[in-house]
Amino acid sequence: ETGVTQTPRHLVMGMTNKKSLKCEQHLGHNAMYWYKQSAKKPLELMFVYNFKEQTENNSVPSRFSPECPNSSHLFLHLHTLQPEDSALYLCASSQAQHATYEQYFGPGTRLTVT
Amino acid sequence: AQKVTQAQTEISVVEKEDVTLDCVYETRDTTYYLFWYKQPPSGELVFLIRRNSFDEQNEISGRYSWNFQKSTSSFNFTITASQVVDSAVYFCALSTGRSGGGADGLTFGKGTHLIIQP
Repeated sequence: ETGVTQTPRHLVMGMTNKKSLKCEQHLGHNAMYWYKQSAKKPLELMFVYNFKEQTENNSVPSRFSPECPNSSHLFLHLHTLQPEDSALYLCASSQAQHATYEQYFGPGTRLTVT
Repeated sequence: AQKVTQAQTEISVVEKEDVTLDCVYETRDTTYYLFWYKQPPSGELVFLIRRNSFDEQNEISGRYSWNFQKSTSSFNFTITASQVVDSAVYFCALSTGRSGGGADGLTFGKGTHLIIQP
């Protein structure tokens, strides 16, 4: 298994739909992250989970709802999105507890909101 | 607030040329960590290197080398004898440790798109 996997790789959804993005890490890490990468902005941190507890919410709109049932899985639930939410959503994991640890990224989910 | 600036949006060179990607950072923390990541067309960010603020030694790994200078708040990345496979977007990133530890997100620069032409 590769280190960090994400499903689906591509997703097209209407503004009234509800969908979820899934991330799974096979590295034995304790921290997981969601990032948004859009064409006009740098990579933006959205959420951080450390030992299943959310430690950071970077002013993300409530239409994005994260869930971390255990240290290996991370979800991003989406509902009533806007076209400007179209982006590449990247999941990452790290050993946690200190910024010295590098983060390992998944391949991302390319989301298009129509 | 912290910030990472990659002023070079796109660089195009011919294969076998050397190329340097610039990174300038801003932070008020005295302890911080700098990273470089590579993003090939497939989309996945690949970790290349981490450097902490107390270690100003330059590092070389094969054709890659990194020059960290605290005096100028720069962490530049040089590829020697570039190859077509080096074509990708390269990101510089910064992370600061909180007191007591804790998982921290990365602050990324906007990235430099490197094109290596055969």
